[in-house]
Amino acid sequence: GAGVSQSPSNKVTEKGKDVELRCDPISGHTALYWYRQSLGQGLEFLIYFQGNSAPDKSGLPSDRFSAERTGGSVSTLTIQRTQQEDSAVYLCASSPGTGPPNEAFFGQGTRLTVV
Amino acid sequence: DQQVKQNSPSLSVQEGRISILNCDYTNSMFDYFLWYKKYPAEGPTFLISISSIKDKNEDGRFTVFLNKSAKHLSLHIVPSQPGDSAVYFCAARGSSNTGKLIFGQGTTLQVKP
Repeated sequence: GAGVSQSPSNKVTEKGKDVELRCDPISGHTALYWYRQSLGQGLEFLIYFQGNSAPDKSGLPSDRFSAERTGGSVSTLTIQRTQQEDSAVYLCASSPGTGPPNEAFFGQGTRLTVV
Repeated sequence: DQQVKQNSPSLSVQEGRISILNCDYTNSMFDYFLWYKKYPAEGPTFLISISSIKDKNEDGRFTVFLNKSAKHLSLHIVPSQPGDSAVYFCAARGSSNTGKLIFGQGTTLQVKP
């Protein structure tokens, strides 16, 4: 497809379980972002990948959260031992690189519900 | 540490009138600012951007103004249309060395017919 694809679109998991969220960025985009939006909140930055550089992990809320990007393309966000406060919409975005204006193209998100 | 702030959670305007959405930032190193629009159950979509060396950028009904001394930017939509009803996010790029975007909390715009 032409856009950013995220899977699954919805995920319900039990507290304490691990989950993996997948993001397929636009082909050729070197930058990839993960954000989350909790109910009634704004877009919270989680992690940023740019090419082969070390990712900016400064937004990850705890060590239960990790992300990787294989082959400079697909990315997986993993949440271990999920908690109810992890419930949110997780959004992935990609952009062509660092050149201006660096508009990021977003996927439709994965709605995670921890019960 | 909220570096990008949208202090108005919501705004309601009449169709045909001007909508003005505001955004404040704290980091003078931001070099680009962007506005995104988000409909329910969809990802945000890019609207318009402005470089920190400019003070105005216009694209059709959308104009973004930047006041660097006040660390303030605004998005003007004129004339407003019911289809503009959505959540609008302001975002800032960290610097020319990184593409990392920092978003505000969003403002929900309702345009009444």
